[in-house]
Amino acid sequence: EIVLTQSPDTLSLSPGERATLSCRASQSVSNNYLAWYQQKPGQAPRLLIYGASSRATGIPDRFSGSGFGTDFTLIISRLEPEDFAVYFCQQYGSSPMYSFGQGTKLEIK
Amino acid sequence: QVQLQESGPGLVKPSETLSLTCTVSGASISSYYWNWLRQPPGKGLEWIAYMYYNRYTNYNPSLKSRVTISGDTSKNQFSLNLTSVTAADTAVYYCARARTWGVFDIWGQGTMGTVSS
Repeated sequence: EIVLTQSPDTLSLSPGERATLSCRASQSVSNNYLAWYQQKPGQAPRLLIYGASSRATGIPDRFSGSGFGTDFTLIISRLEPEDFAVYFCQQYGSSPMYSFGQGTKLEIK
Repeated sequence: QVQLQESGPGLVKPSETLSLTCTVSGASISSYYWNWLRQPPGKGLEWIAYMYYNRYTNYNPSLKSRVTISGDTSKNQFSLNLTSVTAADTAVYYCARARTWGVFDIWGQGTMGTVSS
């Protein structure tokens, strides 16, 4: 099973700032099959990024993903008030098991 | 517009079976991957199982002995049965579509499943 570790656990920033979230895998993620999700309280997760760097439909271009192998990054270039939420990375390159990171909480400073 | 809606009893006793249903509108369960995931209160996400083409299934190895996923094309629904539940199975259960392998692009709102006597 591939274990994903996200850092930091909590990130405190102000609107307008740049957010950098990290996701590290315990072994290489096949084909860069790495996704990012945003979850707000009481809501289901929302797909942001798949294939490490492809934005999902309707996702603003301030969200970008990068990385390969075991190290991946989600960048939010200029934080909007609605971006403060919990973010999860997920790998889907290892069958039969998809796994998620523990999450990074992005909070308002 | 594709929409998913979970339903099922909110409370189950220990050792019993948790049965949940996901009703799909706007897409056919005969296409795509249809998944169940869960999230214990205040914790992260865990993938449980998927069904593909209403025929092929795949399970999280840690839950495989207790889980069954199945579909009903006449109702465009798919279901989850989780047997021998314990308090550790208490979670919000989500159904989700994966249009491509492992990418969960559409989610239901989630339903709380509580295991308690």
